[in-house]
Amino acid sequence: AQSVAQPEDQVNVAEGNPLTVKCTYSVSGNPYLFWYVQYPNRGLQFLLKYITGDNLVKGSYGFEAEFNKSQTSFHLKKPSALVSDSALYFCATPMTGGGNKLTFGTGTQLKVEL
Amino acid sequence: EAGVAQSPRYKIIEKRQSVAFWCNPISGHATLYWYQQILGQGPKLLIQFQNNGVVDDSQLPKDRFSAERLKGVDSTLKIQPAKLEDSAVYLCASSSLSGKAGRELFFGEGSRLTVL
Repeated sequence: AQSVAQPEDQVNVAEGNPLTVKCTYSVSGNPYLFWYVQYPNRGLQFLLKYITGDNLVKGSYGFEAEFNKSQTSFHLKKPSALVSDSALYFCATPMTGGGNKLTFGTGTQLKVEL
Repeated sequence: EAGVAQSPRYKIIEKRQSVAFWCNPISGHATLYWYQQILGQGPKLLIQFQNNGVVDDSQLPKDRFSAERLKGVDSTLKIQPAKLEDSAVYLCASSSLSGKAGRELFFGEGSRLTVL
């Protein structure tokens, strides 16, 4: 079955420092990978996706993600973190059976401190 | 463009009572999903509709959960009778072009259910 894993429950970073939120995948065939963000008491918002092409994908709010096939990883990055980036981040991939239904990782809580 | 609308935002019920959640997807989106998000976990797919037909309900606990999407637009998710473990946020999402992988899902703000 297609799956993603987020090894860190929480990531803490100081404002202005670079941030990385990790995701690894287990997918048969060509991987389609997504990142979503969830602010408190809100739904999930799409950040970016990897379908094919460049290994560095740029998304919303200054986020980017690096696809690494040899390490089966799709880490989310931002060069300079903001306090407002504090939220819950989910990595996702399409479920077995095709189409757009997604299976999500367990989430990583990002806390950006002054 | 209006987003995915859900109601109610919050609901508190006693165990064994029933509850219903409503979702209106983005206009023109043929595919609608209901996800369950338990605190501390990632969202889990309950059911997927394509227009008014069910595509995947393999993870829906059918002894107590039901969902419908009459006329291929709005959808209702019902729980009857509710159990304590049903306490969660119920997220509705929609997408276009279901047959083609790689389309992002658009989520509503969710309906938070507390079962006492």
